[in-house]
Amino acid sequence: DAGITQSPRHKVTETGTPVTLRCHQTENHRYMYWYRQDPGHGLRLIHYSYGVKDTDKGEVSDGYSVSRSKTEDFLLTLESATSSQTSVYFCATFSGWLFFGPGTRLTVL
Amino acid sequence: KNEVEQSPQNLTAQEGEFITINCSYSVGISALHWLQQHPGGGIVSLFMLSSGKKKHGRLIATINIQEKHSSLHITASHPRDSAVYICAVSTGTASKLTFGTGTRLQVTL
Repeated sequence: DAGITQSPRHKVTETGTPVTLRCHQTENHRYMYWYRQDPGHGLRLIHYSYGVKDTDKGEVSDGYSVSRSKTEDFLLTLESATSSQTSVYFCATFSGWLFFGPGTRLTVL
Repeated sequence: KNEVEQSPQNLTAQEGEFITINCSYSVGISALHWLQQHPGGGIVSLFMLSSGKKKHGRLIATINIQEKHSSLHITASHPRDSAVYICAVSTGTASKLTFGTGTRLQVTL
């Protein structure tokens, strides 16, 4: 357990509203990732970070942005939420081993 | 075609049985990970390997780099092993992962 927390754990929002999910880690891991998990697709990488203010896109980055101003926090923002972004979002870190947060279940109505 | 394919998709076993889950991949990798996702949704890493074989308790993971294939074995299966087992491969830098869609295992008494 790398002390990864995600907030909120559950959120219901409406189409068109901005949403920010937070990932917080206490282990000073360099690499952080945001994934989404959908039935039939497995986990897919949205964005990742290899250090403070160093981020890059993953395979499903459209409609999402990220920021990492401190080592411990990695924020995922849905700029204008759509129903296709209804999913379970997992944050993860890597430091010789892969650690996952508990997940955030997001529903966009 | 997915870069990471797992088989079977679903598996039911009786307590005590020997279980094998397979993972094939089509790209060059730096490492392969086996993950376990509990019914409550949490994801934990079981193994990370780049060659050979690793063992942890009743779990054994093997990888054949030439054949681009890995197996996860569970000896003396138990109902608490019921979970989704996910294979993921790490390619390139920053340990970005590509995931299989998982194998759902149910072990009955």
